Amino acid sequence: NAGVTQTPKFRILKIGQSMTLQCTQDMNHNYMYWYRQDPGMGLKLIYYSVGAGITDKGEVPNGYNVSRSTTEDFPLRLELAAPSQTSVYFCASRDLSGANVLTFGAGSRLTVL
Amino acid sequence: AQSVSQHNHHVILSEAASLELGCNYSYGGTVNLFWYVQYPGQHLQLLLKYFSGDPLVKGIKGFEAEFIKSKFSFNLRKPSVQWSDTAEYFCAVNGATDSWGKLQFGAGTQVVVTP
Repeated sequence: NAGVTQTPKFRILKIGQSMTLQCTQDMNHNYMYWYRQDPGMGLKLIYYSVGAGITDKGEVPNGYNVSRSTTEDFPLRLELAAPSQTSVYFCASRDLSGANVLTFGAGSRLTVL
Repeated sequence: AQSVSQHNHHVILSEAASLELGCNYSYGGTVNLFWYVQYPGQHLQLLLKYFSGDPLVKGIKGFEAEFIKSKFSFNLRKPSVQWSDTAEYFCAVNGATDSWGKLQFGAGTQVVVTP
């Protein structure tokens, strides 16, 4: 049971480039989330999804897009990378009865230069 | 607006010392409270949670936390730390009626335990 898998683990982007952070879970969880973690700032919610085809903005959605075409996958897209998007990104999921306990992926460290 | 405040950003202590990490939240309603831990190079994982009932909750690895409603606090404690407790600790909260489970996290406390 792999849990929540994120790829890539590390990536360096140039300003203006685009990329997609992949997130896959094999627990058949309905809810999925993307957070970013910045030093001294904790985790901030970027986007979340409550099921295939349903997504909504979190606290810091600007500069990002998501889609949820399947239960398993919840990719996060950066269209025009900016230095302010340098961060560690975490994907998480939980099931309907998960009592709000999230299962996190290992994180993706993104640097924009 | 909801917020979670963790009092210490960095804590350094020796093995066998006691640990207490403060967490206060601001939220206008009933809340669920969590402590998550991130060991070096590992995923965030749940340490303990409080939904209702006994305000003193016990988690994994000897940690416990006390919910004090009147103080809007959920402090984490461990009587005797080990070197393996070196990690970053996050307090988190969400509204008990929030069915989407969106957690609000504190800034985190980096704990370093020296041998």
